[in-house]
Amino acid sequence: DSGVTQTPKHLITATGQRVTLRCSPRSGDLSVYWYQQSLDQGLQFLIQYYNGEERAKGNILERFSAQQFPDLHSELNLSSLELGDSALYFCASSVLGQGDGYTFGSGTRLTVV
Amino acid sequence: GENVEQHPSTLSVQEGDSAVIKCTYSDSASNYFPWYKQELGKGPQLIIDIRSNVGEKKDQRIAVTLNKTAKHFSLHITETQPEDSAVYFCAASLSGGSYIPTFGRGTSLIVHP
Repeated sequence: DSGVTQTPKHLITATGQRVTLRCSPRSGDLSVYWYQQSLDQGLQFLIQYYNGEERAKGNILERFSAQQFPDLHSELNLSSLELGDSALYFCASSVLGQGDGYTFGSGTRLTVV
Repeated sequence: GENVEQHPSTLSVQEGDSAVIKCTYSDSASNYFPWYKQELGKGPQLIIDIRSNVGEKKDQRIAVTLNKTAKHFSLHITETQPEDSAVYFCAASLSGGSYIPTFGRGTSLIVHP
């Protein structure tokens, strides 16, 4: 157990739907990162939050949004889902969010049918 | 932005052999280079990292080397064991800022008993 908790582990939903993925960072970590992992794209950075504030944005689609709550857990919202959104979504956390080593969760596998 | 190339994409070795995975990066400002191991069904796990002020770092059977001039770094695994079978990712980032690590595409290491 890495200390980063992601729920749910698996999610199957239909095109056009909206889902929410949840992440609880490791105790003491202030920064949360979201990554998308697909076979052809590798690990793609989506967005980073630090202590409740958005700090960096990557290749995140406008249909996707995220937030970090006062208790530091984070949620990634994916809407108007398309088949191509099927992927593994990982959350990672770090103490200060300064680009050093992350601790990853075990991921949420999203399947859009 | 940073670009990280990782080779090979697949590496098959016999138990007891050595394995080497190589990465190159493009941004000379990058100064932190972590390596992650991802086992099936799990998130990536940090296994070793190196900063630009050192050329080599070892941890038991694992070592990482860095050539700043050539902008490449490598992961060396000696006396491989079946449990080393996994996907390995290299990354490059600028530690201390909000710079987000750029990951390589991954190497699938298969260790045959």
